[in-house]
Amino acid sequence: QKEVEQDPGPLSVPEGAIVSLNCTYSNSAFQYFMWYRQYSRKGPELLMYTYSSGNKEDGRFTAQVDKSSKYISLFIRDSQPSDSATYLCAMNRLTGGGNKLTFGTGTQLKVEL
Amino acid sequence: KAGVTQTPRYLIKTRGQQVTLSCSPISGHRSVSWYQQTPGQGLQFLFEYFSETQRNKGNFPGRFSGRQFSNSRSEMNVSTLELGDSALYLCASTLAGAVGETQYFGPGTRLLVL
Repeated sequence: QKEVEQDPGPLSVPEGAIVSLNCTYSNSAFQYFMWYRQYSRKGPELLMYTYSSGNKEDGRFTAQVDKSSKYISLFIRDSQPSDSATYLCAMNRLTGGGNKLTFGTGTQLKVEL
Repeated sequence: KAGVTQTPRYLIKTRGQQVTLSCSPISGHRSVSWYQQTPGQGLQFLFEYFSETQRNKGNFPGRFSGRQFSNSRSEMNVSTLELGDSALYLCASTLAGAVGETQYFGPGTRLLVL
């Protein structure tokens, strides 16, 4: 079983919809949680970064962490066609993990006009 | 400020050959990490280098190796290529490689093994 599970999709939504992307994890040592966005033929770029449980908002994006359930989410409000990409969750341990990130396999999102 | 650059962008090799990929981090960044991305497994950590020393290693066979130079540029080498090594190889750099630092990724090198 993988340490981080993520539904690969694809997920197709109409423009303006609220998108919910999720990951579950099994290693309670994970303390840092990130969401990356990857466009086709590009490297991943960091969208959101959280350390503790709770919500963090940045524009149309909200990241949510529930450590008790080992569950993280990314919400995208008013989705746009330019949001069409693969979204990857990533995690890191507080100590002993160095700079090693453990990724989910990614969810492919398509926002249609 | 220039981002992370990787060369070459595309590569085709045959089984049994070896390959060397290059990564130039963001200026001033001293930590470079390498990842392999495949459709089935997603991104998997290969290794991390900081100040020319390997600091962390993932679960890959010894055919995968790397090094870092004094200017922080890094190379990774794969010997005796197998079909399953076909993947996108990504490198990422951070300032000091501290936990919690943002990792900035390059565009990747797409390797096809025939």
